[in-house]
Formats: sequence, C-alpha cells, structure tokens
Amino acid sequence: EVQLVESGGGLVQPGRSLRLSCAASGFTFDDHALHWVRQAPGKGPEWVAGISWNSAFIDYADFVKGRFTISRDNARNALYLQMSSLRADDTALYHCTKANRVSWRLIDYWGQGTLVTVSS
Amino acid sequence: IQLTQSPSSVSASVGDRITLSCRASHSVGTYLNWFQQKPDNVPKLLVYGASSLQAGVPSRFSASGSETEFTLTISNLQPEDFATYYCQQSDSPPLTFGGGTKVQIK
Repeated sequence: EVQLVESGGGLVQPGRSLRLSCAASGFTFDDHALHWVRQAPGKGPEWVAGISWNSAFIDYADFVKGRFTISRDNARNALYLQMSSLRADDTALYHCTKANRVSWRLIDYWGQGTLVTVSS
Repeated sequence: IQLTQSPSSVSASVGDRITLSCRASHSVGTYLNWFQQKPDNVPKLLVYGASSLQAGVPSRFSASGSETEFTLTISNLQPEDFATYYCQQSDSPPLTFGGGTKVQIK
C-alpha cells in the first residue's frame, strides 16, 4: 500500500523558514517523480514544485521561485521542501504527491498533508 | 495555462446524468486529468490522459476532449459521487488546476 506521510508543518512568523518532509513507502521510490501540492482552507489545489526520479528535472510554481527548494533522498525514501521568506498567503495544507511511473507530471496519489500557518 | 471549469456548482439527484466542463487557455493536447475530492479527504485521480479511467473508477464516469475543451460525465449519479471535481493539466509546467465544480445533492 502506498503511503506518503508529511511532517514539519506548524505555525511560523512571516519571513521565517520551515522545512517539510515526506516519508514514502509501498512503492519503488526512485521510479517516480514527486510533487508538492498545497491547498489553502476552502480553496482548490495549487501545484508548488516537482522533482524527477533522479533530481535531474525540477520545476517550481512562479510564486515560490527563489523562496522554496524541493529535494529528495532516494536512499531514505524521502522528499523535502525547504521554504523560506514565508508569507501569509503560503498558509495551506501541503501535500506530498507521487507521480505515475510513466508520466512524471501525472500525479496519481496524495498524502494527507501537513498544515503550514504563516502568521505573526 | 489557465483552466476554467463550469459550472462552479451543480445540484443533481441520484440517478441523474451530469456533464462538467473544463476549458484550457492554451492547448494541452490530451494531458488533462480529473480529480474527485470529498470533504475532509485528499483529491483522488479519476481520469488521466483526457479519457482514461484510473483503475477502480466506476464505468459510470466517462471523459473526453482534447486541445482546449474537455468534459467529465457522470451517468446514473450515486450518493458517493457528491464531491468537488477538479481538472488539472500535466502538459507543461507549472502544472495547474481548475477552480473546481461542486456536485451537490438537489
């Protein structure tokens, strides 16, 4: 069974940093691209960043470029999102998601998410 | 690429047939996917590649389209189908989602 378990969320002041982690199991981790997708309360999903299986390809949404960094550790079956210069509008539930093995942009499974609240 | 879904909400009864629409601001070929999200749950992939049902999705769901116009049809609406449906393009980054269509019980 695929499991994606996020951690690292919490309450943080504007301008500060936070690092999210995702522990994966139940599939061959280094066969799949991974993405972070966020969902603000009462809003639709919003893609944040994606990383290919070997970290050779990385994409970011324009609103996080230069502030967030996605990375992965295939030896540890882990995905990370380093977030800096956080703003109030970054407040959301952040989901670790797994892509289809064939198409690295096709998201086919979501973790339950970790809540990030940016507030003074 | 912006995705516009219509209607934003629809009220329907069990047994009805409904069609949801998604329009892309630029062609995405057939790299268009549909997700279902129930309250307090994460989105679930229903359709990929514009028309292919994900494994385990009931056959009352069907989808079609290409380039910029896409539809998701639910025939014989069941109680468990009342949810919000999002289209999403995986043609080119940044990946984008539509604003969603909420299917409510009439």
